[in-house]
Amino acid sequence: QKEVEQNSGPLSVPEGAIASLNCTYSDRGSQSFFWYRQYSGKSPELIMFIYSNGDKEDGRFTAQLNKASQYVSLLIRDSQPSDSATYLCAVNAQGAQKLVFGQGTRLTINP
Amino acid sequence: DTEVTQTPKHLVMGMTNKKSLKCEQHMGHRAMYWYKQKAKKPPELMFVYSYEKLSINESVPSRFSPECPNSSLLNLHLHALQPEDSALYLCASSPVADYEQYFGPGTRLTVT
Repeated sequence: QKEVEQNSGPLSVPEGAIASLNCTYSDRGSQSFFWYRQYSGKSPELIMFIYSNGDKEDGRFTAQLNKASQYVSLLIRDSQPSDSATYLCAVNAQGAQKLVFGQGTRLTINP
Repeated sequence: DTEVTQTPKHLVMGMTNKKSLKCEQHMGHRAMYWYKQKAKKPPELMFVYSYEKLSINESVPSRFSPECPNSSLLNLHLHALQPEDSALYLCASSPVADYEQYFGPGTRLTVT
């Protein structure tokens, strides 16, 4: 069973702090890793994707991938109340043509 | 521009009705997807189209019938649905399968 695990939260972080979201996956053949943000009642929005080990930065967001540990994380610097949402980790094995989603982590940024 | 559009935004239908959901993208993407999402759950894959051919059907009941008329359009035909089919139906597209997927805003479906 190919699985993606996330802490469901809620994760509560003060405004201006760093929010750290974690995700582990079971399939060693996984090749592509994605983070989606989903506001309540809205559709998922792609915020980061990463294919290689290491860090990838985009504005206040950093994705980190460690394939040896089967671990991918998302850091949000200078957290804002507008970052409050559910964050979905998704993983794709090469040739699978589909994403396996984690259950999502609900993040709340407190002013 | 990474926009996927979906119509209608909301749909209420009876169990004997026939209706269709529509999805469109003009990004030149060659893979398109239908997902179903229930409250507080992740999206659940239903169908994958790759180069306009159905490549994955996740054992979806036949009351859901997908159609890909061309590379920009994806339809989901609905017939004889059950109340438990009420959910947010999401369309997504990606440049090709295995790449990043971009979701449309979804259709909120209520079956009465």
